[in-house]
Amino acid sequence: QKEVEQNSGPLSVPEGAIASLNCTYSDRGSQSFFWYRQYSGKSPELIMFIYSNGDKEDGRFTAQLNKASQYVSLLIRDSQPSDSATYLCAVNRRGAQKLVFGQGTRLTINP
Amino acid sequence: NAGVTQTPKFRILKIGQSMTLQCTQDMNHNYMYWYRQDPGMGLKLIYYSVGAGITDKGEVPNGYNVSRSTTEDFPLRLELAAPSQTSVYFCASSGTEFWNQPQHFGDGTRLSIL
Repeated sequence: QKEVEQNSGPLSVPEGAIASLNCTYSDRGSQSFFWYRQYSGKSPELIMFIYSNGDKEDGRFTAQLNKASQYVSLLIRDSQPSDSATYLCAVNRRGAQKLVFGQGTRLTINP
Repeated sequence: NAGVTQTPKFRILKIGQSMTLQCTQDMNHNYMYWYRQDPGMGLKLIYYSVGAGITDKGEVPNGYNVSRSTTEDFPLRLELAAPSQTSVYFCASSGTEFWNQPQHFGDGTRLSIL
């Protein structure tokens, strides 16, 4: 079992709809969870991070964490074509000093 | 602030050649990382460092070496380049309280081994 798993996609969502990206992790000691966006040919850029159970909202983005079920998700409301990218989930355990990345989900927003 | 700077941006090597990928950061971060990313895949950790003079292996360290003589610089050395090392290499850094600090990435080095 991979430490961090994401559906590789592609995930196609119509413009204006909600895009839902999911990530599961295997290590129950995982402490903090990051979502990065990566445009084709570019480096990853941080969207948001979460470390408490529940929801965290930032503009059109909402991260959801459920430690009991070991999943973290990212919701993108009012999806725009500019949201088309690969989304990487990353997880770390306190004291581990390094992140483990999922393989990423490719998201396409269709106008 | 420049953030994390990687050089070169592109390079083509012949099999068996060696080279050093440079990475420097100006954010006074203690933690620095080297990743490789193959097409359509996530990031795989090669080496990381938690401070000057301290380095440790990641999940794919074979064929690479690193050093960390200063807080700012974390070069990655490829010895005897092989086609399997064709990839995009990213350097990243993060602050001292790592567990809740995001990693900041450089723009990457695209390396082809022919």
